[in-house]
Parts: sequence; structure tokens; C-alpha cells
Amino acid sequence: QSALTQPASVSGSPGQSITISCTGTSSNVGSYNLVSWYQQHPGKAPKLMIYEGSKRPSGVSNRFSGSKSGNTASLTISGLQAEDEADYYCCSYAGSSTVVFGGGTKVTVL
Amino acid sequence: QVQLQESGPGLVKPSQTLSLTCTVSGVSMSSADYYWSWIRRLPGKGLEWIGYIHSSGYSYYNPSLKSRLTISVDTSENQFSLKLTSVTAADTALYYCATKPNSLYHFDYWGQGTLVTVSS
Repeated sequence: QSALTQPASVSGSPGQSITISCTGTSSNVGSYNLVSWYQQHPGKAPKLMIYEGSKRPSGVSNRFSGSKSGNTASLTISGLQAEDEADYYCCSYAGSSTVVFGGGTKVTVL
Repeated sequence: QVQLQESGPGLVKPSQTLSLTCTVSGVSMSSADYYWSWIRRLPGKGLEWIGYIHSSGYSYYNPSLKSRLTISVDTSENQFSLKLTSVTAADTALYYCATKPNSLYHFDYWGQGTLVTVSS
């Protein structure tokens, strides 16, 4: 069960849009629309931002959106703000009632 | 509001057993709505799913940890536990407990995490 592949870091200026990729295989991301995304600030617990590929929990800004193409899922943050600087993790269903996480991406707001 | 709090030793010796407990408030663990989950953050790496259990007893484990892992639930105390045997330095991590809605595959409520260091 190999981890999903995410870029180590992504950066952008305030107001810009950035996209974080999450690449898996046909055994996980490619076969199910069950990717979730988590935001983690230093010293804090992860926070669910997107589930089932593109759904936002109540209270999550609509600046966060999720999508998928083939074996790659993506999280887009539009109108980048200083508070968006954090680590982001993707997670996918991997069959047989198991899940697999990505290695994480550090987002820096320039 | 669902709240989770991890507890347990912060230091474990190599080859010994790592034991953690997660205390849940705001929801009864007898509820069929959730799977009770453990996830860890490895130093310099990402998150790793450890496993989850339902109050009915159904449990699912990460295949890479399955041979050393037991997750159990105590609905009378509204707690669930993790036991990982034969630990090594590679098990040093920040351990989180979290909830997974039944029949879905994301984690919506998380504890604050507890750091476990494996060292002699």
C-alpha cells in the first residue's frame, strides 16, 4: 500500500490560485471518487477540507475546491490568503475498506 | 460536538508494546454512525492510516502494521485503544485518533494528537 504522491511544496502570492496534486493508481484514486483533503497548521490537528472528491464540509470556505482526472486528484485554493499557509494531505479509499494518505504538501503564501 | 483526546506513555522502549487510549465525548461510541480510527504522522513524512474499528467489532488494519496491531473498543467507558507490539524507532510518531463516518472514507473529527517516542 504505497503512499499517494504529492509535491513537497507549493507557493503563491495572496489573491492567487494554487493547485495541489495527489497522484495515485487505478487501485485507489483512479477507481473511486473517495478522495479527501486535510489542512494542518503547526501544532494543530488535521482539519477536513474536502471529502468525496469535491464536497465541502459545513464551515469550509468555498475558496477550496476538489477535482479528479484519471489517477490524479487535485485541491485548488483560490484567492490565496495568509491563513491558508499550512500542510495539506490527500487521502483516498484503496479498496477492501482501507485508505491511503499522501506524503503532504507545504503551502507557502509569499 | 464530537471531541477526542488521546492519552498514553510518551516514551516506549524498543521491542515493547505501544499502548494508547482515545476518550470520546459528545457522542456515544455505541452509535453505528462511526468507525473509530487511529492515524499517525511520521517525522519528516506524511500521515499514515493505522486502522479503525466499529462498535460492532468490525475492524480494518493497515496491511503493513496488521501483524503487530490490535485496536479495541470499550463502549462502557466511551474509549477505544491501540496496541502496537514489537516497536522500533520507525514507530516514533504523533498519534491521532479520529472518527470515520460509517460507509464513508474520510475523517471528520480528530484529537489533538500525542507524541510517542521509541527509544531506549
